[in-house]
Amino acid sequence: GESVGLHLPTLSVQEGDNSIINCAYSNSASDYFIWYKQESGKGPQFIIDIRSNMDKRQGQRVTVLLNKTVKHLSLQIAATQPGDSAVYFCAENSGGSNYKLTFGKGTLLTVNP
Amino acid sequence: DSGVTQTPKHLITATGQRVTLRCSPRSGDLSVYWYQQSLDQGLQFLIQYYNGEERAKGNILERFSAQQFPDLHSELNLSSLELGDSALYFCASSPWGAETDTQYFGPGTRLTVL
Repeated sequence: GESVGLHLPTLSVQEGDNSIINCAYSNSASDYFIWYKQESGKGPQFIIDIRSNMDKRQGQRVTVLLNKTVKHLSLQIAATQPGDSAVYFCAENSGGSNYKLTFGKGTLLTVNP
Repeated sequence: DSGVTQTPKHLITATGQRVTLRCSPRSGDLSVYWYQQSLDQGLQFLIQYYNGEERAKGNILERFSAQQFPDLHSELNLSSLELGDSALYFCASSPWGAETDTQYFGPGTRLTVL
């Protein structure tokens, strides 16, 4: 069935370090994945996406890696800043006539100054 | 600011009541999505509309309904409210409602049922 889960519910890093947030998915038919950031009291904010025909995609300070063999998705944040503190969600869209996003439970990233 | 607006920001009501949540999508976006976020269930997709038509349904209760109007704004109606309906309700929009559309979320409506 469709499900998206996270390996680590919380992650605490020092300012300036790199952060890696992991996500596992179970639907091999999923062809589109998105990472969202949600700050307290706000709606999810799009960070980066990747299609299933790609293994890696880079944005500004963020990189998403997709390993379809083991159904694993990761978000790497370079030089983590206090403003990066938030809950990060991975989401998958299994495509076809199913347009819904299935979200993971989220990882709380805390950046210590 | 995503460009998606939602009203009201907060809503407090009693069990058994009915409320309406409103959403205006980003300019030009034809598709609207509704999500419920609770502490124990996370972000759950409820329903999607595209250009006024229902396109996809998720875990939406029969007590809940939605519609999208000709001007593309959407309303989510929640009736016979129960304590367990207390949650954050988010609206998102995307240009075409396609599977690889990025969905942009509004700030949410926090519903508290007493």
